[in-house]
Amino acid sequence: GAVVSQHPSWVICKSGTSVKIECRSLDFQATTMFWYRQFPKQSLMLMATSNEGSKATYEQGVEKDKFLINHASLTLSTLTVTSAHPEDSSFYICSAGQGGNTEAFFGQGTRLTVV
Amino acid sequence: LAKTTQPISMDSYEGQEVNITCSHNNIATNDYITWYQQFPSQGPRFIIQGYKTKVTNEVASLFIPADRKSSTLSLPRVSLSDTAVYYCLVGRYNQGGKLIFGQGTELSVKP
Repeated sequence: GAVVSQHPSWVICKSGTSVKIECRSLDFQATTMFWYRQFPKQSLMLMATSNEGSKATYEQGVEKDKFLINHASLTLSTLTVTSAHPEDSSFYICSAGQGGNTEAFFGQGTRLTVV
Repeated sequence: LAKTTQPISMDSYEGQEVNITCSHNNIATNDYITWYQQFPSQGPRFIIQGYKTKVTNEVASLFIPADRKSSTLSLPRVSLSDTAVYYCLVGRYNQGGKLIFGQGTELSVKP
């Protein structure tokens, strides 16, 4: 199947700093990618839809100024957590689909710890 | 997107067949049923997808009754490595998303 890769796999940052997470579709082009957040022992929560060449669409309750999404190419979407706080510590996961295929391919996730 | 209900957890032993049932009473005519597996600290992985009756692949089988208000994921002869959380999702997915995950079923396989 198609491969979606995230980088980094884990990151520790100081409170108040910003962190960028990359999501790449390695062997296909993705005009749309999705970002999820998962807290321990909880399910995945959709944060936003990343659209190539246009603004991202955020789910209700997700601060667009805090979670900046950029989808500048057909193979790369980035999520920047700005002014991170300990409560932003979570597991962030991206996904993409391959054309009209209804199967979603997920990245391996990024564990963010804010200290 | 239709809401789904699954058991929170299940226990099994190696070599047994495991059946996880998902309720989706409000499934729409064009909705598909998809199951994902997630190991700790990893992204979910697609297992199987179906629309009606039965679908089988090398990993699992998916049984869907005629009214499509529920579905059952069947894992034959589970091993310890099948310990994971299993999510049932219902909807029409273009380009792989956007997916609304329910609580999932935490399957624990014991030796």
